[in-house]
Amino acid sequence: DAKTTQPNSMESNEEEPVHLPCNHSTISGTDYIHWYRQLPSQGPEYVIHGLTSNVNNRMASLAIAEDRKSSTLILHRATLRDAAVYYCILDNYGQNFVFGPGTRLSVLP
Amino acid sequence: GAVVSQHPSWVICKSGTSVKIECRSLDFQATTMFWYRQFPKQSLMLMATSNEGSKATYEQGVEKDKFLINHASLTLSTLTVTSAHPEDSSFYICSAVAGGSTDTQYFGPGTRLTVL
Repeated sequence: DAKTTQPNSMESNEEEPVHLPCNHSTISGTDYIHWYRQLPSQGPEYVIHGLTSNVNNRMASLAIAEDRKSSTLILHRATLRDAAVYYCILDNYGQNFVFGPGTRLSVLP
Repeated sequence: GAVVSQHPSWVICKSGTSVKIECRSLDFQATTMFWYRQFPKQSLMLMATSNEGSKATYEQGVEKDKFLINHASLTLSTLTVTSAHPEDSSFYICSAVAGGSTDTQYFGPGTRLTVL
């Protein structure tokens, strides 16, 4: 399975944008990039996914580098409810998700 | 859409007893479901992959006779922890694949198991 590298933790102020980076230098051409987040004592929540082009949805934006070796999850205005562990996962159709330690995001009021 | 439920949300049992956890996809059919385990302050670890109507595939180090998985329908998978011991206390999470080309997994809310 291709690996991802994320910072262990990040901090943001409420109502400011947050950019969560993920490196995946060994990504294959057919790997999708998925982002999930997990609040304490809850199952992971789907955030966004993409293959090559940048993606936007109501929760976040996903910016994918041209060489696809890195990506950035963008929360446009962080709220206290966005405090969670964020996981960047590569998925090749039919293979299993491998969860790394993720990035623990703290949002300061 | 794409809602996955788990039951129970928490359970406490005595050592040596068996516990069954249900995972249901509420608004879609899931040909594949996954079971994960998460210990405190750790990430999710995949235990097994379950396909409807066939035997589950277990990850290395997961005892298939201890963690029985049944995926009898396209909306229900069950995990039974047999002869539970305190070291089996953990947060058990299931996920289901809604289909399509991207294999997005939708996760249940998790079940907290405490074995006394």
